[in-house]
Amino acid sequence: EPEVTQTPSHQVTQMGQEVILRCVPISNHLYFYWYRQILGQKVEFLVSFYNNEISEKSEIFDDQFSVERPDGSNFTLKIRSTKLEDSAMYFCASNLLGYGANVLTFGAGSRLTVL
Amino acid sequence: TQLLEQSPQFLSIQEGENLTVYCNSSSVFSSLQWYRQEPGEGPVLLVTVVTGGEVKKLKRLTFQFGDARKDSSLHITAAQPGDTGLYLCAGARGGGADGLTFGKGTHLIIQP
Repeated sequence: EPEVTQTPSHQVTQMGQEVILRCVPISNHLYFYWYRQILGQKVEFLVSFYNNEISEKSEIFDDQFSVERPDGSNFTLKIRSTKLEDSAMYFCASNLLGYGANVLTFGAGSRLTVL
Repeated sequence: TQLLEQSPQFLSIQEGENLTVYCNSSSVFSSLQWYRQEPGEGPVLLVTVVTGGEVKKLKRLTFQFGDARKDSSLHITAAQPGDTGLYLCAGARGGGADGLTFGKGTHLIIQP
């Protein structure tokens, strides 16, 4: 069964450092998303991406965050200068269609620990 | 800000019992989804309900979308230890670009 692949599975970084989380969405999917889940809290939407541009972003997705689809397969989330509160599980997801019910396939996540 | 309240937050029952988990909101959603999440993994979609009043069954799991599309329930019949996990509901406002609003989840433990 097709799956969304995320790397790294776990990254530890120092506060202030830049971090890039990588995702390979399902190949024929059109919409891509990043969500995060702080330990013990609910899954929160960060950003959606379609047709090589951001479609929607939440208030969490401030200027420290950026997304990119550098080639035909990868979808990346960059955090420019990490803060302690960025420590969370970051999930990438993709969706085939843009209408009707959203049917998202999530990756296994990248755990980011900021020290 | 749309919120989804899930209840109960924690539920521990014996194998063979029935249970219902609720997902409530004051907002209308175009669709509502139920996910199951294992520790250290991403949410896995169980079902999507779209039409008000819709009922979907997945083996021993029955999902219902409220008539007004503001709430949903998940009913498990004859729960098994393999049903143990975190169940999340998530609502969508519109099309594919919209972010999902997740509830905090229900931690379910089925004791043998």
